Amino acid sequence: QKEVEQDPGPLSVPEGAIVSLNCTYSNSAFQYFMWYRQYSRKGPELLMYTYSSGNKEDGRFTAQVDKSSKYISLFIRDSQPSDSATYLCAMSASGGAQKLVFGQGTRLTINP
Amino acid sequence: EAQVTQNPRYLITVTGKKLTVTCSQNMNHEYMSWYRQDPGLGLRQIYYSMNVEVTDKGDVPEGYKVSRKEKRNFPLILESPSPNQTSLYFCASSLQTSGRSTDTQYFGPGTRLTVL
Repeated sequence: QKEVEQDPGPLSVPEGAIVSLNCTYSNSAFQYFMWYRQYSRKGPELLMYTYSSGNKEDGRFTAQVDKSSKYISLFIRDSQPSDSATYLCAMSASGGAQKLVFGQGTRLTINP
Repeated sequence: EAQVTQNPRYLITVTGKKLTVTCSQNMNHEYMSWYRQDPGLGLRQIYYSMNVEVTDKGDVPEGYKVSRKEKRNFPLILESPSPNQTSLYFCASSLQTSGRSTDTQYFGPGTRLTVL
């Protein structure tokens, strides 16, 4: 069993839809949770991070962490064609960037 | 402009021919790391470095070497490449943090390697 599981998709939705991306994990030591966005032929870029359980909102993006269920989510409201990318969840047990464990990534397409 | 650069961006080589992929960052970051990205497997860490002359294995280090002689550079060396090392490689860097903090990890643009 992988430490972090993420549905690879692909996921295709119409412009303006609410998108929900999810990851589950098995390591209860994870405390730092991140979402990266990766455009085609580019490196991943950090989109959101949260520490421990709870919600975090940034514009149209909301990250949720439920440590009791070992489940994290990223919601995108009013989705735009420019949101089309691969979204990767990542997590770590210690602070900082070392020992990040990534999900497989979900390929998302927003259709105009 | 703050950035991580990698060279080459694309490389096709043959089994057994030693190669080096360079990585350089201009942000004075202590921490640097190499990942490979494969379909269905996501990003997996190969090696990381906490600072100059300090390196350690990640999850998939077999067949790779690294060195950290200068803070800005972190080359990835494949002494004898094999076809199963065909992959997309990313270098990343960040400030080293500790405790209840995290820091943005900056990724390079990637190097697509094909080993025939």
